[in-house]
Amino acid sequence: KAGVTQTPRYLIKTRGQQVTLSCSPISGHRSVSWYQQTPGQGLQFLFEYFSETQRNKGNFPGRFSGRQFSNSRSEMNVSTLELGDSALYLCASSLAGTSGEKLFFGSGTQLSVL
Amino acid sequence: TQLLEQSPQFLSIQEGENLTVYCNSSSVFSSLQWYRQEPGEGPVLLVTVVTGGEVKKLKRLTFQFGDARKDSSLHITAAQTGDTGLYLCAGPRRTGTASKLTFGTGTRLQVTL
Repeated sequence: KAGVTQTPRYLIKTRGQQVTLSCSPISGHRSVSWYQQTPGQGLQFLFEYFSETQRNKGNFPGRFSGRQFSNSRSEMNVSTLELGDSALYLCASSLAGTSGEKLFFGSGTQLSVL
Repeated sequence: TQLLEQSPQFLSIQEGENLTVYCNSSSVFSSLQWYRQEPGEGPVLLVTVVTGGEVKKLKRLTFQFGDARKDSSLHITAAQTGDTGLYLCAGPRRTGTASKLTFGTGTRLQVTL
C-alpha cells in the first residue's frame, strides 16, 4: 500500500509569510503526528491528530497550528514565519497513535525561511 | 535538557568494523524504539523493545533494552556502507491522557569503504 505522502517536498519562503504543509497518511491510519527536525534540536514533537481532533501538543508557539480532515489527511500551518522555522517538517501516521505503536514517516517538507 | 541522550553524536568507521550506539535516560520507559533515517528521507522503524533486559537481533544489528528500562544500545557487527544514516532512539511519554513519542538526540553514522 502507498506510504505517507507529504507535499510539497521543498519550500522557500521569506520572513513574515505563512505556509501550509500537507500530509496524506497510510490508508486506514487515523493518527497523524507532526515533527520538526533541525540539526541543533533534533526531532521535536509538534502535535498529533486523531479522528479530526488534536490529541496532543508539543511546546511550540501558537504560530504553529494544524488540522485533520475526515479522510485523515492533515495540514499544518505556520504563520508569520521566522528564520528559526527553517527545518525539515516530518509527518508520521499510525493506526491509533497508542504508546509504542509503529510510526510511518513521510519524506518530509524542507522549509527554508529567508 | 533532552530526555533521551544518545552517544556518540557522530561516528565514522570503515566497512567491516563493529560499533555500538547508546541511548540513555534518567526516566523509565515502557518501551523504546530504534529508527534509522537516511538522507532526504523520514525515519524508518528498525525495532521496538518492551521488556527490561530484552535482546533483539535484526541481521547484523543487535538491540538491547536495559534491565531498568532507562537505556538501550544498538550494536552493529561488520558494518556496511548501507548502514550509513542517522540512528534515533525514541520512547513514549504520557502527557495527561495522551502519549507522544520523544526522540533522542541521534547518532550520525558514516561507513566508508
